[in-house]
Amino acid sequence: RKEVEQDPGPFNVPEGATVAFNCTYSNSASQSFFWYRQDCRKEPKLLMSVYSSGNEDGRFTAQLNRASQYISLLIRDSKLSDSATYLCVVNRDRGSTLGRLYFGRGTQLTVWP
Amino acid sequence: EAQVTQNPRYLITVTGKKLTVTCSQNMNHEYMSWYRQDPGLGLRQIYYSMNVEVTDKGDVPEGYKVSRKEKRNFPLILESPSPNQTSLYFCASSPPGQGARGTEAFFGQGTRLTVV
Repeated sequence: RKEVEQDPGPFNVPEGATVAFNCTYSNSASQSFFWYRQDCRKEPKLLMSVYSSGNEDGRFTAQLNRASQYISLLIRDSKLSDSATYLCVVNRDRGSTLGRLYFGRGTQLTVWP
Repeated sequence: EAQVTQNPRYLITVTGKKLTVTCSQNMNHEYMSWYRQDPGLGLRQIYYSMNVEVTDKGDVPEGYKVSRKEKRNFPLILESPSPNQTSLYFCASSPPGQGARGTEAFFGQGTRLTVV
């Protein structure tokens, strides 16, 4: 089973829509969680970390459910500039895998006018 | 400016001709890693390094070598490239984790390699 699973999409939504991405991870030892954004053919960049209590950054809200091993990202009021691939990432901080990141395959989002 | 620099950005080479992709970071990060990205497969880790002279295999290490003689540099070596190593390669660095919060990985701009 893959370490991190994501729905690849694509998601095509109009400007102003709310869209949600989901992600599951297989290893209960996973300690920290992130969403990265990747524009076409460019390097991934951190969008936001995901904390146990859930967290919000402007139009973006991330949630973590440790019991279900499930992570989500909600984007409200979508903008054209949100079009990108969103990568779910987990990190097992303990032992020999300290700092090692596991990436989902990414969910592609296109926001149209 | 804090950054991870990869070179070259684009490379076309022939099967069997040894090549090295360089990666350098100026943030004094302990942790560095190499990934390849292929359509439908996402980012897969090739090798990683916890610190100078400490390297370990990731998920797809076959056909690759790395070295970490200095903290800032982490070159990726393909001793005998083959067409199935045609891919987009990313180098990344990050500081040590801070408890459960983990750390951000900073990526280079990528190297698009074609092996013919």
